[in-house]
Amino acid sequence: QKEVEQNSGPLSVPEGAIASLNCTYSDRVSQSFFWYRQYSGKSPELIMSIYSNGDKEDGRFTAQLNKASQYVSLLIRDSQPSDSATYLCAVNMNYGQNFVFGPGTRLSVLP
Amino acid sequence: DAGVIQSPRHEVTEMGQEVTLRCKPISGHNSLFWYRQTMMRGLELLIYFNNNVPIDDSGMPEDRFSAKMPNASFSTLKIQPSEPRDSAVYFCATCRDNQETQYFGPGTRLLVL
Repeated sequence: QKEVEQNSGPLSVPEGAIASLNCTYSDRVSQSFFWYRQYSGKSPELIMSIYSNGDKEDGRFTAQLNKASQYVSLLIRDSQPSDSATYLCAVNMNYGQNFVFGPGTRLSVLP
Repeated sequence: DAGVIQSPRHEVTEMGQEVTLRCKPISGHNSLFWYRQTMMRGLELLIYFNNNVPIDDSGMPEDRFSAKMPNASFSTLKIQPSEPRDSAVYFCATCRDNQETQYFGPGTRLLVL
């Protein structure tokens, strides 16, 4: 069973703090990793993709990948109340385009 | 571009009825995915198509579910007969063949009574 795991949360952080979201995956040969944000009642939207070990930064967001540990994370700097949403980790399990999504972590940024 | 278009946006039906969900992909996107999202099971991939051909339908829960993509501009997901446990949000997502970024439609919220 190919699995992607996340803490369901809720993760609460004060406005301006760093929010750290974590994801682990079971398939060692996975090559592509994605973070999606989903507001309540809305559809998922892509925030970041990462393919290589290390960090990838885009504005306030940093994705971190460690393939040896089968771990991918998302850091949100200077968290804003508008960042309050569910964050979904997705992994392409390296067979075609078969994506597996984690259960999501609900983030709440408190003003 | 209008993005991925799904219809209907909301559907309420009675157990045993046939339900048909529709999706129009973004022009030029030749991979299409159907997902189901529930609180209990999260976002599950049901089936995906590439160039109108079903590639992997292992996520389709049972024979009551079927999906078609008769052309590059249209796909349907049908449930016949529907059951209360089918109540969920059904998303369609598409992407270009040589890319992995999926763009999700707004979803269809299905309630089976």
